[in-house]
Amino acid sequence: QKEVEQNSGPLSVPEGAIASLNCTYSDRGSQSFFWYRQYSGKSPELIMFIYSNGDKEDGRFTAQLNKASQYVSLLIRDSQPSDSATYLCAVKGGAGGTSYGKLTFGQGTILTVHP
Amino acid sequence: EAGVAQSPRYKIIEKRQSVAFWCNPISGHATLYWYQQILGQGPKLLIQFQNNGVVDDSQLPKDRFSAERLKGVDSTLKIQPAKLEDSAVYLCASSLGGVETQYFGPGTRLLVL
Repeated sequence: QKEVEQNSGPLSVPEGAIASLNCTYSDRGSQSFFWYRQYSGKSPELIMFIYSNGDKEDGRFTAQLNKASQYVSLLIRDSQPSDSATYLCAVKGGAGGTSYGKLTFGQGTILTVHP
Repeated sequence: EAGVAQSPRYKIIEKRQSVAFWCNPISGHATLYWYQQILGQGPKLLIQFQNNGVVDDSQLPKDRFSAERLKGVDSTLKIQPAKLEDSAVYLCASSLGGVETQYFGPGTRLLVL
């Protein structure tokens, strides 16, 4: 099992729709969870981070965390063509694990928002 | 605030040659990271520095890769000798203290022929 696994893509949604990106992780002790956006040929940029179970909203973005299910998701409301990019889920390893203190990235999900 | 600087932006070499990448983190950032991102994959941590000390280099192929951050500011990552499978984007990132909120540089795209 991969340490951090994202839903296979690519994901295509129409403009104005909700895009849902999912991520599961194997280290039950993980404490911090991050979503990065990476445009083609560019470096990753942080969108959001979440530490606590539940939802965290920032503008059109909502991160959801369920530690019991080892699941984190990112919802993008009112998707725009400019949201078309690769979305990377990253998890900070918890104490006692082999990835303690280290950020482990998923493979990324390619999102395309078509007009 | 200036971002993370990296050079060169692109490099093409032949296998068995050596190559070096340079990174200058955001001013005041104590922690510096080097990642390798192969096409279609997420970044993989190669090495993490806290000031001038190595925190984690467990995924650095030490037979061919080396990195240093002698004065706790800028850093150099070297590959010697390069292999075809080293073709990737090498990303440098920095953060103020711990892992939270890492800022990435533009990356160096390496092609090994």
